[in-house]
Amino acid sequence: AQKVTQAQTEISVVEKEDVTLDCVYETRDTTYYLFWYKQPPSGELVFLIRRNSFDEQNEISGRYSWNFQKSTSSFNFTITASQVVDSAVYFCALSELEWETSGSRLTFGEGTQLTVNP
Amino acid sequence: DTGVSQDPRHKITKRGQNVTFRCDPISEHNRLYWYRQTLGQGPEFLTYFQNEAQLEKSRLLSDRFSAERPKGSFSTLEIQRTEQGDSAMYLCASSLWSYEQYFGPGTRLTVT
Repeated sequence: AQKVTQAQTEISVVEKEDVTLDCVYETRDTTYYLFWYKQPPSGELVFLIRRNSFDEQNEISGRYSWNFQKSTSSFNFTITASQVVDSAVYFCALSELEWETSGSRLTFGEGTQLTVNP
Repeated sequence: DTGVSQDPRHKITKRGQNVTFRCDPISEHNRLYWYRQTLGQGPEFLTYFQNEAQLEKSRLLSDRFSAERPKGSFSTLEIQRTEQGDSAMYLCASSLWSYEQYFGPGTRLTVT
């Protein structure tokens, strides 16, 4: 069975601090995808990144960066120089390839509430 | 370019009533998903369609829940004989094959 664990329930930082959100996953498959979504107070989930299990290169997009380590089954997310607008709940998610149905349902972690204070 | 839309955004109903939600996916997306999110939790998968075919259902989807996607376009999720435990945010998402899923704003259901 697949599982995603986000051990940090809440994180509070001061603006301009760097913050890392942890994500650990469990899966039986060798082929899978990992995702991060942001859910601001408005409630709509916003897609941030999708990573293939074969691609362990770290990725940087502006102030966001992701560290994928297959050896530790982790896919951590770092926000550099945080801003108040980064305040949201962040979800890590996993999808396996369901070969019979070719499905790709997401299994989400419980989320990390990030609060960035001015 | 419009994103995923859901209607209604909020629904208050009395226990025992039936409710129906609608989701309009991004037009070129062939896959449509329904998830349920309760307060303080991550979304949980309910069911998914590839075009008009419903290919997977979670065991969370009891017999009181039914979903359709006629003609492979919009989808409806119906809950019959609602219970207080059905109170949640119902999220719809769409994707092109197994690429990233884009979510709608959700329908918040309150069962009194």
